[in-house]
Amino acid sequence: AQTIHQWPVAEIKAVGSPLSLGCTIKGKSSPNLYWYWQATGGTLQQLFYSITVGQVESVVQLNLSASRPKDDQFILSTEKLLLSHSGFYLCAWSLPSNYAEQFFGPGTRLTVL
Amino acid sequence: GDSVTQTEGLVTLTKGLPVMLNCTYQTTYSPFLFWYVQHLNEAPKLLLKSSTDNKRTEHQGFYATLHKSSSSFHLQKSSVQLSDSALYFCALSDFSNYNVLYFGSGTKLTVEP
Repeated sequence: AQTIHQWPVAEIKAVGSPLSLGCTIKGKSSPNLYWYWQATGGTLQQLFYSITVGQVESVVQLNLSASRPKDDQFILSTEKLLLSHSGFYLCAWSLPSNYAEQFFGPGTRLTVL
Repeated sequence: GDSVTQTEGLVTLTKGLPVMLNCTYQTTYSPFLFWYVQHLNEAPKLLLKSSTDNKRTEHQGFYATLHKSSSSFHLQKSSVQLSDSALYFCALSDFSNYNVLYFGSGTKLTVEP
């Protein structure tokens, strides 16, 4: 069975500090991977997607970057956090086929103070 | 660019009543529509999806029909249950890039006894 793990579960960071969030998918080879941002009680905004190792496409940057260093790993990062980065970050995966269902991870709650 | 509009932010209903959550979309390409449901403190999960015009799709008692003539994909259920209380998102992808998903603002459905 496939499992998706996100770390950390929650993070409190200062404005201007760096950030790194991670996502690992087990049990599925070569999935498509996605990063989303969700304001509390708000809509989901897709940030990045990746269809293969080392290749990441930006949808909306929001002063964030993403990387896929391994087939099963997706990293979201920034060197300088803004207050507006607060929210819920969700990683998702799908089979590498058209319009496949996206399966979301448990998310990371980020608070920037 | 692509966009999704959900007109109701909050819907409150008594158990057993029918519900319709509105979703309209804009795209210049052939669309693929989704409904995702997010229960409190959980990750979003796919409820329905469709790219076929005028064909009803059903799952877990919910149903929706994609109408390309009116650019709509409304979600319906004939009798809501307490467990249906959740945040519902309509989402759009299109044939130009199926990896990008655009979400509506979401509708919070609360079902009361």
